[in-house]
Amino acid sequence: ETGVTQTPRHLVMGMTNKKSLKCEQHLGHNAMYWYKQSAKKPLELMFVYNFKEQTENNSVPSRFSPECPNSSHLFLHLHTLQPEDSALYLCASSQESGGDTATLSYEQYFGPGTRLTVT
Amino acid sequence: KNQVEQSPQSLIILEGKNCTLQCNYTVSPFSNLRWYKQDTGRGPVSLTIMTFSENTKSNGRYTATLDADTKQSSLHITASQLSDSASYICVVTDIILTGGGNKLTFGTGTQLKVEL
Repeated sequence: ETGVTQTPRHLVMGMTNKKSLKCEQHLGHNAMYWYKQSAKKPLELMFVYNFKEQTENNSVPSRFSPECPNSSHLFLHLHTLQPEDSALYLCASSQESGGDTATLSYEQYFGPGTRLTVT
Repeated sequence: KNQVEQSPQSLIILEGKNCTLQCNYTVSPFSNLRWYKQDTGRGPVSLTIMTFSENTKSNGRYTATLDADTKQSSLHITASQLSDSASYICVVTDIILTGGGNKLTFGTGTQLKVEL
């Protein structure tokens, strides 16, 4: 195991539902990430939190809302999703240097992912 | 635009055989290149990481090479096992010179299947 856990592992939700994905890292890292992985496409970085501050939002629709209450936990709140949002959502963590901007230069450890299906 | 291209898209080999996966990138400037293994239904796990000055790095039966001049990398798997069946993803990190922060560019992966 990589030290990064995600729940739930599978989620099926309707377009009008509200749900949340949870990620927890047990590695003492200070940066956490949300990625989206769709079939036959590269991983897409969605959000970055460095020292609990959101440092990156890659033009993600507002129906995805991240929350990082502390350096060990990361949430992704979902509401009014579309069928094209169905994908594997991966959380990762790393130990980054300090400062205002995440360097993203160090090893990222990934969780097992949440397989999301929007019906 | 930074890109990472991997080939082949998919590959089937017999157990015990060797194989080589390719990664070409246009990321510039360059910080490091990593190979990840992703089993079905799991997150990627790092196999190797190489910086500009490193030409080769091994991790058990996995050996990665890097040619920073031609911007190519390969991952060689020796004596393949059934458990090697997975997606292998090449990831390149650039350096943002102003304002700090590096960006990761992911390839789409090579799907490897090892059969008896």
